[in-house]
Amino acid sequence: DGGITQSPKYLFRKEGQNVTLSCEQNLNHDAMYWYRQDPGQGLRLIYYSQIVNDFQKGDIAEGYSVSREKKESFPLTVTSAQKNPTAFYLCASSTQAEAFFGQGTRLTVV
Amino acid sequence: AQSVTQPDIHITVSEGASLELRCNYSYGATPYLFWYVQSPGQGLQLLLKYFSGDTLVQGIKGFEAEFKRSQSSFNLRKPSVHWSDAAEYFCAVGGSNQGGKLIFGQGTELSVKP
Repeated sequence: DGGITQSPKYLFRKEGQNVTLSCEQNLNHDAMYWYRQDPGQGLRLIYYSQIVNDFQKGDIAEGYSVSREKKESFPLTVTSAQKNPTAFYLCASSTQAEAFFGQGTRLTVV
Repeated sequence: AQSVTQPDIHITVSEGASLELRCNYSYGATPYLFWYVQSPGQGLQLLLKYFSGDTLVQGIKGFEAEFKRSQSSFNLRKPSVHWSDAAEYFCAVGGSNQGGKLIFGQGTELSVKP
């Protein structure tokens, strides 16, 4: 089945640690995205990539980093510089007109 | 500024009653408009989309939405709500060739009374 796979579903991080969230797609889409979701705030764009080896900052990129070495993969690293990382993270890929979302990763700082 | 406003944070309707979720947008170019639904702890599922043409669009699960350019609105409707429709609903706007680069509203949580 074609789709977007995010892993892990739940992730716990100690303060001061970097963690990496995985996102893989087999839809053959060029473009991929990372969104952060907080209660009552909808989704906010962190980073996006329209082609391999290229990516752009979204609205809330501070404290995050990404890479796009393969078309299928777009991992997100939450660094220790992100002051409030506890949130639900959604990955998406898209055609030129429509986005498809993964099932999300819930990150909790302990 | 580009934005999406969903005025209702939480709506409760009785099963079998009609539903309308409001969405207003501000966007500098021709908008592509979307409604997504999210169950707790899950990803987003596309209900329907509007790019151009007929301003009344039909989606999955019996939902429809009407694009009104003069009011900058894209309200979601369903004639008869089912208990399984309880979820959070997001309106989003993007542009042509913007793909998944979307601006989302804050979401409306729908509760359904038996």
